[in-house]
Amino acid sequence: DAKTTQPPSMDCAEGRAANLPCNHSTISGNEYVYWYRQIHSQGPQYIIHGLKNNETNEMASLIITEDRKSSTLILPHATLRDTAVYYCIVRVGNTGGFKTIFGAGTRLFVKA
Amino acid sequence: EPEVTQTPSHQVTQMGQEVILRCVPISNHLYFYWYRQILGQKVEFLVSFYNNEISEKSEIFDDQFSVERPDGSNFTLKIRSTKLEDSAMYFCASISQGSSYNEQFFGPGTRLTVL
Repeated sequence: DAKTTQPPSMDCAEGRAANLPCNHSTISGNEYVYWYRQIHSQGPQYIIHGLKNNETNEMASLIITEDRKSSTLILPHATLRDTAVYYCIVRVGNTGGFKTIFGAGTRLFVKA
Repeated sequence: EPEVTQTPSHQVTQMGQEVILRCVPISNHLYFYWYRQILGQKVEFLVSFYNNEISEKSEIFDDQFSVERPDGSNFTLKIRSTKLEDSAMYFCASISQGSSYNEQFFGPGTRLTVL
């Protein structure tokens, strides 16, 4: 699986958009970008994924650059409950086993 | 909304004792996983399980570890002789084979403390 690079921590004001970057310059054509988050020792939670196109769901938006070498997770209106570690993961979507390799992630602090 | 459940939420044991951590994956899921997270460290993959056998395991998953799906619902992780360094959060996860994007659903975890 391709490696990803994320900043170790970020701050965001409550109610503002949180933009979390991820570099994945060695991504292969059949690899997806997944985002998970982990709120203080809870189990990781799936947020969103994408291959080439930008994606949006009820939790977040995912912007993938045209060359697919980087992406940004956007939480449009961050709340205090969004304080968590956010993991950007690149993975082939249909390999047997589908294991997830977690990096260190970005620790997002949402401040009132 | 369906969810993965794990029991117990916290297990304290003496070094050298056997522990069994239990998970109930989402009912129509077919792939099952165990991960662990030592305090302050990354979430680490341990093992994946499909069709009643291990499909992949990491270097961490040595002979002291075993997994089993004894019935149609439970998925267990056994540590035969616990060591101090086994103290960690253990997360179970599952995937539906029919999922178009292979979202993994994680349980809330079991905190294992080895004394």
